[in-house]
Amino acid sequence: DTAVSQTPKYLVTQMGNDKSIKCEQNLGHDTMYWYKQDSKKFLKIMFSYNNKELIINETVPNRFSPKSPDKAHLNLHINSLELGDSAVYFCASSPARSHNEQFFGPGTRLTVL
Amino acid sequence: DAKTTQPPSMDCAEGRAANLPCNHSTISGNEYVYWYRQIHSQGPQYIIHGLKNNETNEMASLIITEDRKSSTLILPHATLRDTAVYYCIVRANDYKLSFGAGTTVTVRA
Repeated sequence: DTAVSQTPKYLVTQMGNDKSIKCEQNLGHDTMYWYKQDSKKFLKIMFSYNNKELIINETVPNRFSPKSPDKAHLNLHINSLELGDSAVYFCASSPARSHNEQFFGPGTRLTVL
Repeated sequence: DAKTTQPPSMDCAEGRAANLPCNHSTISGNEYVYWYRQIHSQGPQYIIHGLKNNETNEMASLIITEDRKSSTLILPHATLRDTAVYYCIVRANDYKLSFGAGTTVTVRA
């Protein structure tokens, strides 16, 4: 079974649309994260939730809204998509917020046309 | 978090040890050194971490200098599957990982 899964794997959409990316972890972890990897391959943290509570919001436009219905899921909703949102988005989880190892999902490649 | 400096790329022969250097001269006392790697088209994978003592696990060894201003990740017997981008990250014991450009390691047969 996949530990951290994301859907969809690929997402192609038009500018101005609203889209969601889903993430689920079956590891029983308390903390989940969203990262963005841009075209230059730099990986930056966007959000982190601990037990459904937002603990990190790294200067991300408010068009991006994470939602955690339970501690096994952290979805990312993006409104009014822009060209610059094209990137690979990775979800990750860890047993606790200060735990050393984060487990990453396979990524979702978002292309905005 | 302290910044890290890594060579942009390096080659390694299959079966040989790969030694990946990292400079972190501004590291502070409560900051750990972490190594992750990212194989092409996959999510990053944790390798190892340490504070000041050398560490070893089934994947690699981490050697941290006494002044903690630099470290070396050692892959003891590199295989083709070790070809990846390796990231050296310094962070305090919180939850933020800040990835830099990393070192692209190519293992050649």
